[in-house]
Amino acid sequence: GIQVEQSPPDLILQEGANSTLRCNFSDSVNNLQWFHQNPWGQLINLFYIPSGTKQNGRLSATTVATERYSLLYISSSQTTDSGVYFCASYGQNFVFGPGTRLSVLP
Amino acid sequence: EAQVTQNPRYLITVTGKKLTVTCSQNMNHEYMSWYRQDPGLGLRQIYYSMNVEVTDKGDVPEGYKVSRKEKRNFPLILESPSPNQTSLYFCASSLSGLGGELFFGEGSRLTVL
Repeated sequence: GIQVEQSPPDLILQEGANSTLRCNFSDSVNNLQWFHQNPWGQLINLFYIPSGTKQNGRLSATTVATERYSLLYISSSQTTDSGVYFCASYGQNFVFGPGTRLSVLP
Repeated sequence: EAQVTQNPRYLITVTGKKLTVTCSQNMNHEYMSWYRQDPGLGLRQIYYSMNVEVTDKGDVPEGYKVSRKEKRNFPLILESPSPNQTSLYFCASSLSGLGGELFFGEGSRLTVL
């Protein structure tokens, strides 16, 4: 089945810094999505982005399906951005990456 | 408000005592699924349902049962819970079984003693 890699596995930032998270897939990207799991465990859908670029406030995402990767950009990071970021693609069913754990320090 | 609702949110039980975690969505979604999340293992799919009366095994179905008698509900049943089923469980739904934006419930933290 499809394999999903995320990098970096861990990231520590100072508040106000920018960051880029990457998601690589072993096979065709389908229905690519990004999720944020906050420190309380809630999983929130950030972007549904099968291809192209989308922006939502300080966050934006780009998927290049032909090259099997997606990027999540976080600008001017805030402490509330802390948590784990997952990407997922849909094959026979949804497959999740292992996540990037982000810590934003005040 | 569009949402996926799970109950209970927290549960401590003992080995062998049957329990059900309920999941309900109000978005008329066809696709529903259950995941468990464990440290170091990420999100793993237990069961999924493409529509009413259509269910299938995910990656870790052993020890679990599901049913989909109504479109909005997808309960997860642990017939005889064991300590290795201690985990954080998530229900999720999506408009279509062919993909689409996935919405998660708030999670149910289960401890089996």
